Amino acid sequence: GDSVTQMEGPVTLSEEAFLTINCTYTATGYPSLFWYVQYPGEGLQLLLKATKADDKGSNKGFEATYRKETTSFHLEKGSVQVSDSAVYFCALSEGGGSEKLVFGKGTKLTVNP
Amino acid sequence: GAVVSQHPSWVICKSGTSVKIECRSLDFQATTMFWYRQFPKQSLMLMATSNEGSKATYEQGVEKDKFLINHASLTLSTLTVTSAHPEDSSFYICSAPSDSSYEQYFGPGTRLTVT
Repeated sequence: GDSVTQMEGPVTLSEEAFLTINCTYTATGYPSLFWYVQYPGEGLQLLLKATKADDKGSNKGFEATYRKETTSFHLEKGSVQVSDSAVYFCALSEGGGSEKLVFGKGTKLTVNP
Repeated sequence: GAVVSQHPSWVICKSGTSVKIECRSLDFQATTMFWYRQFPKQSLMLMATSNEGSKATYEQGVEKDKFLINHASLTLSTLTVTSAHPEDSSFYICSAPSDSSYEQYFGPGTRLTVT
């Protein structure tokens, strides 16, 4: 079945550092890929998405590119802020964003001032 | 954005009792809702898909008689954990897709502790 493998944390960075969280996937079809973020005490929120190969999703300074050849969707940000401290989940869906999601294990990011 | 609420946020119950968790879409209608379970330091695992007006669809390995799902209206789905055991202790999260967008909206989750 489909699966998502995500870099395990926790990850601790200083403010303004560069962030990469690796994510690779296994799927039978051509899935849509997502990054969700969970801030402390809140529900998961969609951070960005990509629906086909070579698409780049971006939001709030975060970016991820759908790489079909390497089955990857790595999350990057050039300069993290303390407010980016959260748990980040990579996910895929075979049927689009409104269908059931398969999640990675999540990566906890802590950004120190 | 759309809001999904869950109630309660935290519940403690004794072994053998049943507990009901509610998931509501506050400002949109949801014909489908998803129920996930999250263990500490683990990913969210889909338990079942709740369908308004019809039976829920359960994922393989999920006991449908233990985890009862009722999608009572276009804004409410409930998950009832029956005859709870300590191993049912977990974080339960619901989500609902919005018809007008390409994403799902997640509730804040319910932490269940069975003693």
